[in-house]
Amino acid sequence: AQSVAQPEDQVNVAEGNPLTVKCTYSVSGNPYLFWYVQYPNRGLQFLLKYITGDNLVKGSYGFEAEFNKSQTSFHLKKPSALVSDSALYFCAVRARNSNSGYALNFGKGTSLLVTP
Amino acid sequence: NAGVTQTPKFQVLKTGQSMTLQCAQDMNHEYMSWYRQDPGMGLRLIHYSVGAGITDQGEVPNGYNVSRSTTEDFPLRLLSAAPSQTSVYFCASTKPQGASYEQYFGPGTRLTVT
Repeated sequence: AQSVAQPEDQVNVAEGNPLTVKCTYSVSGNPYLFWYVQYPNRGLQFLLKYITGDNLVKGSYGFEAEFNKSQTSFHLKKPSALVSDSALYFCAVRARNSNSGYALNFGKGTSLLVTP
Repeated sequence: NAGVTQTPKFQVLKTGQSMTLQCAQDMNHEYMSWYRQDPGMGLRLIHYSVGAGITDQGEVPNGYNVSRSTTEDFPLRLLSAAPSQTSVYFCASTKPQGASYEQYFGPGTRLTVT
């Protein structure tokens, strides 16, 4: 079985400060890991992914994430938050040997609020 | 490319009614899937398809049917709507190629069952 945990329902950050949105995963074997963002009343947009290689992955809008195999984590980070980053963020995982097609297991989501 | 399109955007049904949520993609993606999004529960997989003529159940398939007669279309049918099916439904597609696998999502259908 594969699963993702996002331990924080909400993260509050002041504009200009660094932000971190946490994600831990559980899979058998090596994972594919993803971050998606959802703005109000919109679908999910892909931010970044870890497939293999460098543990630090850079994605859209200045976001990055670090894959940590020993801690089974894939935290999303940004050095300087913008008010426009306020949205719902989802971490997702897929096991390399998954037998459910290419479906992803999503976390419950973390609401990010960046205040001016 | 229009990407992944879904219709309708909003729908209100009475308990027991049936309806079909439409999903289409113009990217020639083999893999398509349906998720439902409920507050505090993330996205849960309902059904998926790895290609035309092939479908399979996801995590929460009860009360839903799917078919995949073409690569482009993947409709989701609610056979007899129940209040528990009030949710936001997202269709997604991907073209497994190399080490890609990211999924492209439609804008969603917000369904209310009264």
